[in-house]
Formats: sequence, structure tokens, C-alpha cells
Amino acid sequence: QQQVKQSPQSLIVQKGGISIINCAYENTAFDYFPWYQQFPGKGPALLIAIRPDVSEKKEGRFTISFNKSAKQFSLHIMDSQPGDSATYFCAASNTDKLIFGTGTRLQVFP
Amino acid sequence: DAGVTQSPTHLIKTRGQHVTLRCSPISGHKSVSWYQQVLGQGPQFIFQYYEKEERGRGNFPDRFSARQFPNYSSELNVNALLLGDSALYLCASSWMPGLAGVEQYFGPGTRLTVT
Repeated sequence: QQQVKQSPQSLIVQKGGISIINCAYENTAFDYFPWYQQFPGKGPALLIAIRPDVSEKKEGRFTISFNKSAKQFSLHIMDSQPGDSATYFCAASNTDKLIFGTGTRLQVFP
Repeated sequence: DAGVTQSPTHLIKTRGQHVTLRCSPISGHKSVSWYQQVLGQGPQFIFQYYEKEERGRGNFPDRFSARQFPNYSSELNVNALLLGDSALYLCASSWMPGLAGVEQYFGPGTRLTVT
């Protein structure tokens, strides 16, 4: 019940395209859903986060869509750029202990 | 301001040995959490410390221990190392524990290889 399932494992997108990463959770007590971006050799960095009282949050080219009834949330990266190439992790928590998904390796080609 | 710092950057140990990893949180942050990230997987929660007290522990064996010092820096200790302990060990700091939505800032990690 503490798992967060993430898909796809890897994603290849052309520059300017839309990257979509999906996550699903089981524990309905989770009330905070962040997305982290991790470059090789670096620690994860918070990209954007959402709480279950809203269905969508947008920050620049990054949007989280949240479906509480389906217990799913997704990250959309609009106008994907080569600099977005990284590994993305979804996470969930109801304290500050983060439960991470397995990660999605995104490659954006020019 | 400096971010979360961790030392050493890389470490190679032999099975059965002991290792100590160190973390300094962002100035003003009083809570430190440790995560283990095995290659190809997401980070897994090991410990959280706040004001030198353990506030949370993940599903890790007693070989793993940690402590927090009065200056809020922290050490993670692993005894009797196993090959499966090879991973990137991440430290994250926040100003307040126990609240979802309080941003955790991660350090660059210590890459531990056990041979």
C-alpha cells in the first residue's frame, strides 16, 4: 500500500514535443505529490508538486494533472528541450517521508 | 548559501567493513533525512532526524544507524557491509519535519561501492 508505480521506464521525445510520465498510488492517506528531476551525479531536485485538493498545477512548461478518484497523477513537459533530458521521479507522502516511484529516464533529441 | 553537502563523494569498501557517511544540512534547517538509491531505482527512506532525535526509520536492518549532532549535521553508519549495500546514499534537509509539503533539499549523494 506504500508503493508508487511509475511508467514508462524510459521515454524518447523529439525537441518541442510533449513528454508525459504517469504515476499511480494506493495509499489514500497520501496528501502531497512532488515530482523530482535528477541529473547524472546529482541529487534529486524538486520540480513541481501538488496536493489532492486541486486537479492541475502548472509552472512554466511543467504541469501536474491529478485524478484523486483514480489515484493517479502525471507530469506533462510541454515544448520538451534537450536540457530536460534527465531521470524523473514521482513521489508521494503524508508526512515528510517521501515514497518514490521507480523513475523515468527522459531523452529529448534535437 | 551553500546547499546540502555530503562527504565523501565516492567510497569503495570491502564486504564486512564499516562505513560512515556525513551530511551537512542547509543553514537554518534542523531536520535531516537519509535515503538509499540503488542503481535504476527511486530513493528509499532510511532515517529522519530532528533536533538530534530519530523521528522515523524505514525498512532497513539494524546494521544501519545514524545520529545528528548539535550543529544539525548528521552521520549515517553502516556495519558489516554487504554487496547489496552498494548504492547512492542521499541526504536531504528541511526546516521542519513531519509536515507533508515542506520541501526537502537533497545533496549530491555519496556513491558507495562494496566489493
